[in-house]
Amino acid sequence: EADIYQTPRYLVIGTGKKITLECSQTMGHDKMYWYQQDPGMELHLIHYSYGVNSTEKGDLSSESTVSRIRTEHFPLTLESARPSHTSQYLCASSPGRAGGLETQYFGPGTRLLVL
Amino acid sequence: KNQVEQSPQSLIILEGKNCTLQCNYTVSPFSNLRWYKQDTGRGPVSLTIMTFSENTKSNGRYTATLDADTKQSSLHITASQLSDSASYICVVSDRGSTLGRLYFGRGTQLTVWP
Repeated sequence: EADIYQTPRYLVIGTGKKITLECSQTMGHDKMYWYQQDPGMELHLIHYSYGVNSTEKGDLSSESTVSRIRTEHFPLTLESARPSHTSQYLCASSPGRAGGLETQYFGPGTRLLVL
Repeated sequence: KNQVEQSPQSLIILEGKNCTLQCNYTVSPFSNLRWYKQDTGRGPVSLTIMTFSENTKSNGRYTATLDADTKQSSLHITASQLSDSASYICVVSDRGSTLGRLYFGRGTQLTVWP
C-alpha cells in the first residue's frame, strides 16, 4: 500500500468557510496531483505539481488553490466553500521519471460536504 | 466528450464466477493503458499497465488484454472473491504532452455476492 495520506477523511462544513485539505506522501515523489471525483463519474484533474514551488491547473476548472513548499506536502485550499464544491477529492503522487509509464499512487480521499 | 468508455456500468456476479469488463477508448496518440481498482471510500490502486506493444498482462487473478488497433481493452477476473467488489477504472495516457495526460473512464461497479 502506498504511503500517501489525506486528512480529513470526511468534512462537513457550512457555506463561506475556508477549508484546507491536507495531502502528504513519504515516498519522495516529485509529482503530485489533486483530482475531483463525483459519485459514478470519472476523476478530473484539478491541480498538479512537478516539484517544489511548481503548481499548475488541471483540466477541470476549480476555485481551489494549491501550494508546494515541501516535496512531501501538497495542500488544497478553498477560500470560501460552496455547495457546488461538494465532492470527493483525491490526492496522488508519482515518481516523476520520464517516459509516462510511471504509476500514480492515490491517497484514500477526502469526502467534502458543503451545506 | 469522455474519450474512455467502460461497460457495463455495473455488474453483479456470484462468488467464484469469472467476469470480463470492457474499455473502449478514442485517445490519440496512445501511450499506455492502466486498470485501477477502487474500493468504496478509498483511492484507486493500480492493477496493470500496458503499452501499445503488449497484448496481455496478468496480476494474480486479474488478466488485462489490449488491442491497440481496435482501441479496446478488457479486464478478466477469474474465480471472483467477495473482496473483488469495487469499481474498476480504465485509464488511458496519451504521449502528446510532458505530463502524459490521463483520461479516466467512469468505472464498472462490480459486486460479488456470496
